[in-house]
Amino acid sequence: SQTIHQWPATLVQPVGSPLSLECTVEGTSNPNLYWYRQAAGRGLQLLFYSVGIGQISSEVPQNLSASRPQDRQFILSSKKLLLSDSGFYLCAWSSGFSNQPQHFGDGTRLSIL
Amino acid sequence: DAKTTQPTSMDCAEGRAANLPCNHSTISGNEYVYWYRQIHSQGPQYIIHGLKNNETNEMASLIITEDRKSSTLILPHATLRDTAVYYCIVRGGPNAGNMLTFGGGTRLMVKP
Repeated sequence: SQTIHQWPATLVQPVGSPLSLECTVEGTSNPNLYWYRQAAGRGLQLLFYSVGIGQISSEVPQNLSASRPQDRQFILSSKKLLLSDSGFYLCAWSSGFSNQPQHFGDGTRLSIL
Repeated sequence: DAKTTQPTSMDCAEGRAANLPCNHSTISGNEYVYWYRQIHSQGPQYIIHGLKNNETNEMASLIITEDRKSSTLILPHATLRDTAVYYCIVRGGPNAGNMLTFGGGTRLMVKP
């Protein structure tokens, strides 16, 4: 069966520091991969999605970037974190076929001080 | 994507069936109905989805009305661990896009 792993689960970072969040998927090949952010008490905002290695689409211009160095690995990065980057970051995957559901990881709760 | 309407909250007794309604009167012919739930501090969990036929899996059943304007998620024997916010999402078709849009959802409280 397919599984998705995100780490770390929680992270506290100072303003201006770099960020690297990692997501890996097991049990499937060539998945679509997604990074979302969920602010407290609000819905999910899609940040990036990828349909293949090296292919990244950004949904919202911001301080973050994403990379997909391997088929089942998706990384969210920032060179300099802002206070507004605080939130709950979720990675998700789906098969490449349309209308298939997205499956989420357990998320990373990021606090910026 | 079509908009959905769900009750804000519901209670259910442990061991009884939980029936969560969703209204999606503007759904189009190629849009699917998806159900997710989110337990506090965890990522959303996919439950079930369907187009027009009723669906059942190990977690739940999905009943879609014949006109597809509403649906009901059924948890046959609710447990305390089913306490969560349940989201009904309508999405699909060639212009679906990639983002899942979660509305307010229904906060289900399963009580002993």
